[in-house]
Amino acid sequence: AQSVTQPDIHITVSEGASLELRCNYSYGATPYLFWYVQSPGQGLQLLLKYFSGDTLVQGIKGFEAEFKRSQSSFNLRKPSVHWSDAAEYFCAVGRTNFGNEKLTFGTGTRLTIIP
Amino acid sequence: NAGVMQNPRHLVRRRGQEARLRCSPMKGHSHVYWYRQLPEEGLKFMVYLQKENIIDESGMPKERFSAEFPKEGPSILRIQQVVRGDSAAYFCASSAGGLPYEQYFGPGTRLTVT
Repeated sequence: AQSVTQPDIHITVSEGASLELRCNYSYGATPYLFWYVQSPGQGLQLLLKYFSGDTLVQGIKGFEAEFKRSQSSFNLRKPSVHWSDAAEYFCAVGRTNFGNEKLTFGTGTRLTIIP
Repeated sequence: NAGVMQNPRHLVRRRGQEARLRCSPMKGHSHVYWYRQLPEEGLKFMVYLQKENIIDESGMPKERFSAEFPKEGPSILRIQQVVRGDSAAYFCASSAGGLPYEQYFGPGTRLTVT
């Protein structure tokens, strides 16, 4: 079965600093990969996704992620964070070639922004 | 273009009561998924439905939980005889079908069992 690991439970960065959130997955083939963001008390918003093709994908709000097959990773990056980026970030994996399927989520990384 | 709608947003039930959570998918979406988020945890898959069919219920607790997605109307997640451990946020997502797929989430229903 597929699984997702987000090794960092909580990250604190200064406003304007760069950000990288780690995500590692376990799956026998190339999966579908997603990053979602959840603000307190809110639902999940899709930031970006990887299905195939270019391994560097661009998302909303200035985020990008890079799929690295050799490392089974899909890390999320942003060159300069804003205070409004403070939220919980979830990486998720979906199986391919099985039709529509459930997503398996990591446990999330809480991002705190300090002035 | 309305997104995924869930109601109620907040639901308080006493132990032993029934909880009914509703989800209306995005327009044009015929695939619905329910996930549960316990405090300080990620989302866990519960059930995947298409119209009038349960496709995958591997994440549903065997007792007290049921889900449906009728031909007309919203999808319903039903929890009978709720217990304190059912307190969580329940999220619905929908997708249009086909490959590749992406799921769009509703705002969630936060269930509190007292």
